[in-house]
Amino acid sequence: DAGITQSPRHKVTETGTPVTLRCHQTENHRYMYWYRQDPGHGLRLIHYSYGVKDTDKGEVSDGYSVSRSKTEDFLLTLESATSSQTSVYFCAISERDQYNEQFFGPGTRLTVL
Amino acid sequence: RKEVEQDPGPFNVPEGATVAFNCTYSNSASQSFFWYRQDCRKEPKLLMSVYSSGNEDGRFTAQLNRASQYISLLIRDSKLSDSATYLCVVRDTGRRALTFGSGTRLQVQP
Repeated sequence: DAGITQSPRHKVTETGTPVTLRCHQTENHRYMYWYRQDPGHGLRLIHYSYGVKDTDKGEVSDGYSVSRSKTEDFLLTLESATSSQTSVYFCAISERDQYNEQFFGPGTRLTVL
Repeated sequence: RKEVEQDPGPFNVPEGATVAFNCTYSNSASQSFFWYRQDCRKEPKLLMSVYSSGNEDGRFTAQLNRASQYISLLIRDSKLSDSATYLCVVRDTGRRALTFGSGTRLQVQP
């Protein structure tokens, strides 16, 4: 299995609070991604990174920001959490580019009350 | 219309059965195709890539039909451990992301 960890694995927070999720990889892969998964929607891309300090928006980026200061870490921040951001968040990595197979972390289950 | 569509199932089959899933995609310029497997409350894991000529990996066979814009996954001799949700994934030219279907749930019964 690819060396990807996510923290925390579970979090319950209140509306309006900031939340930061962390993805850490030991594979030295260049590309990293944040997805959310909701029933009936499949996985949807929030943001992705194609190198240190290089990030771009995905299809559902509103309300989220990311940072990547080191190859191994990709942070997802919800500046002011809302109930619509209750979801399961997966981090993924890929070696060559975003068009090749991706390997996923174990996920973070976030509940916003 | 969703870009990648799958029958959500569930497909309930007995052990040893052969089962097939289809997935349709809307963009004729799509270039790469994958099947992922996702167990309940776990992360998706790559099952296999789908090549134009079709490909096989043990009991699993994937086919691509560009003319009709669908890909298929055939599982032979189903095992209890095959019970999972199978995600169809497509890469579109010019898109910055893979597009995931919502998944087809398979339940193999003893």
